[in-house]
Amino acid sequence: ETGVTQTPRHLVMGMTNKKSLKCEQHLGHNAMYWYKQSAKKPLELMFVYNFKEQTENNSVPSRFSPECPNSSHLFLHLHTLQPEDSALYLCASSQRGGDEQFFGPGTRLTVL
Amino acid sequence: QKEVEQDPGPLSVPEGAIVSLNCTYSNSAFQYFMWYRQYSRKGPELLMYTYSSGNKEDGRFTAQVDKSSKYISLFIRDSQPSDSATYLCAMVTGNQFYFGTGTSLTVIP
Repeated sequence: ETGVTQTPRHLVMGMTNKKSLKCEQHLGHNAMYWYKQSAKKPLELMFVYNFKEQTENNSVPSRFSPECPNSSHLFLHLHTLQPEDSALYLCASSQRGGDEQFFGPGTRLTVL
Repeated sequence: QKEVEQDPGPLSVPEGAIVSLNCTYSNSAFQYFMWYRQYSRKGPELLMYTYSSGNKEDGRFTAQVDKSSKYISLFIRDSQPSDSATYLCAMVTGNQFYFGTGTSLTVIP
């Protein structure tokens, strides 16, 4: 595997479900990011991790819970989501914060 | 006022045309400027990266930055159907990234 991978690629869940999104980067980078992409809106930065430490949380609701066990893996735990949370969730990594970011293919999430 | 403004399009051009994609910004502290291309059902991929005013060329793609006017452009020469995608501009100050909404481009064979 090369670059940034994300699983699952598609996810449909009910509002009471709990699920997790997984991201893995094979680039030796030290910073990882979660973004939300909705139609006609700019990418919304959700969380940033530098060297496994969370350095940014952009006022994201607590129903989204990130986890970064090491510099290569990033998770986004989801629970009691709302239909408006349906979007493409993108993971990215960079060598350092502020460097060019490399994106995964995204997880298309639908909340029923 | 948004940090970054980008016309969402859609933009439709015939094959072989020159395409011009643009973003304007308000924050004079932006240091780095990037263009990403995003195909349908894929994540964005980095196309061009620049940090100074002027032009940077890579094959059929030219990135232009005008810091005095707070304006960046991406030109695509001899456009191909495979260029059909959404193009996002991104700007960086410190560790903060700011993305445009993306412009949807279709190149018609």
